Amino acid sequence: EPEVTQTPSHQVTQMGQEVILRCVPISNHLYFYWYRQILGQKVEFLVSFYNNEISEKSEIFDDQFSVERPDGSNFTLKIRSTKLEDSAMYFCASSDRTGVRNGYTFGSGTRLTVV
Amino acid sequence: GENVEQHPSTLSVQEGDSAVIKCTYSDSASNYFPWYKQELGKRPQLIIDIRSNVGEKKDQRIAVTLNKTAKHFSLHITETQPEDSAVYFCAASIQWRGSQGNLIFGKGTKLSVKP
Repeated sequence: EPEVTQTPSHQVTQMGQEVILRCVPISNHLYFYWYRQILGQKVEFLVSFYNNEISEKSEIFDDQFSVERPDGSNFTLKIRSTKLEDSAMYFCASSDRTGVRNGYTFGSGTRLTVV
Repeated sequence: GENVEQHPSTLSVQEGDSAVIKCTYSDSASNYFPWYKQELGKRPQLIIDIRSNVGEKKDQRIAVTLNKTAKHFSLHITETQPEDSAVYFCAASIQWRGSQGNLIFGKGTKLSVKP
């Protein structure tokens, strides 16, 4: 079964440093997402991306965050200047066109620890 | 925006019993309702989903029901087994032709199945 791949699985960074989280969505999927999950809490939507642009973003996704699809396969989330409260599990997800096949496929996540 | 409430937050059942988890949503435009199972430290995995044009869907021991009028949907697991122990999340989104809305998650239910 096709998978969404995320790297690294765990990243530790100093407060104020920039981090880039990487994702390789399923190859024929068109919609890409980043979600985060603070330990013990619910999964929260950050941003969705379609046709090479952001289609929707949440209040969490402020100016410190950016996303990019630098080539035909990767989808990245950049946090410009990390804060302690950015510590969370970050999940990338992808989905195909509505009505073709249901559901979002999540990657295995990147655990970001800001110290 | 959409708000999803999920109850209970924890649920403990004996092996072989049934488990029911309930969610309500606020946005009447939401038309897609997936359920995810998340084992400790792992990615959310889609277990079943339902669209608003269907009232009930079943897949072996798992079923989901949807009441559009009341804006609530429920997950039913019958003949529970210890491997069903996990955190279950409901979610809601709006899907329309050519577009895939982001998922809004409930806070999760920690299900424990005792042997």
